[in-house]
Amino acid sequence: AQSVTQLGSHVSVSEGALVLLRCNYSSSVPPYLFWYVQYPNQGLQLLLKYTSAATLVKGINGFEAEFKKSETSFHLTKPSAHMSDAAEYFCAVSDTGFQKLVFGTGTRLLVSP
Amino acid sequence: NAGVMQNPRHLVRRRGQEARLRCSPMKGHSHVYWYRQLPEEGLKFMVYLQKENIIDESGMPKERFSAEFPKEGPSILRIQQVVRGDSAAYFCASSPGANGGEKLFFGSGTQLSVL
Repeated sequence: AQSVTQLGSHVSVSEGALVLLRCNYSSSVPPYLFWYVQYPNQGLQLLLKYTSAATLVKGINGFEAEFKKSETSFHLTKPSAHMSDAAEYFCAVSDTGFQKLVFGTGTRLLVSP
Repeated sequence: NAGVMQNPRHLVRRRGQEARLRCSPMKGHSHVYWYRQLPEEGLKFMVYLQKENIIDESGMPKERFSAEFPKEGPSILRIQQVVRGDSAAYFCASSPGANGGEKLFFGSGTQLSVL
């Protein structure tokens, strides 16, 4: 069975600091991996996805994630946090593309001035 | 171009009542997915539907829950005889097709509270 573990339910950074949100996955087959962001009172938006092409995936809003098979990780990073990045971030895995995603419990990113 | 529309945004029901949650997919999308987010948990897949067909309902509880996506109108997630444990956020998503790599668009969710 597939699963995703997001380390840290809350992450706090200062504006301009590096953002690192951790995600480890478990999958018996080559996975599809996703990061979604949820702003208050909005639906989830896709930030980026990994579908077995390049291991370094660039997404929207300056975010990127690197697929590391040896570490079963897909951590999300952004070099410089902005106040508008404050939101909840979800990592997800699937073995069938978008048909059935398994989500992590989410990490709330707090950005202070 | 309206996104995925879910209503109501908040729904309060007493134990034993029925809850109906509606989802209108994005224009041109014929695939709908329902997910449930219990407190302190990640989103869990419930059901995947195409127009007039249930494709995968492996995440649906066996009793009291049903879903439909008729030829005309929104997709409906129906919960009969609600219990406190049904309190959760229910998210709908839609996509234009079923192929891997397609974008999945989520609605803002319906927060169901059972008193």
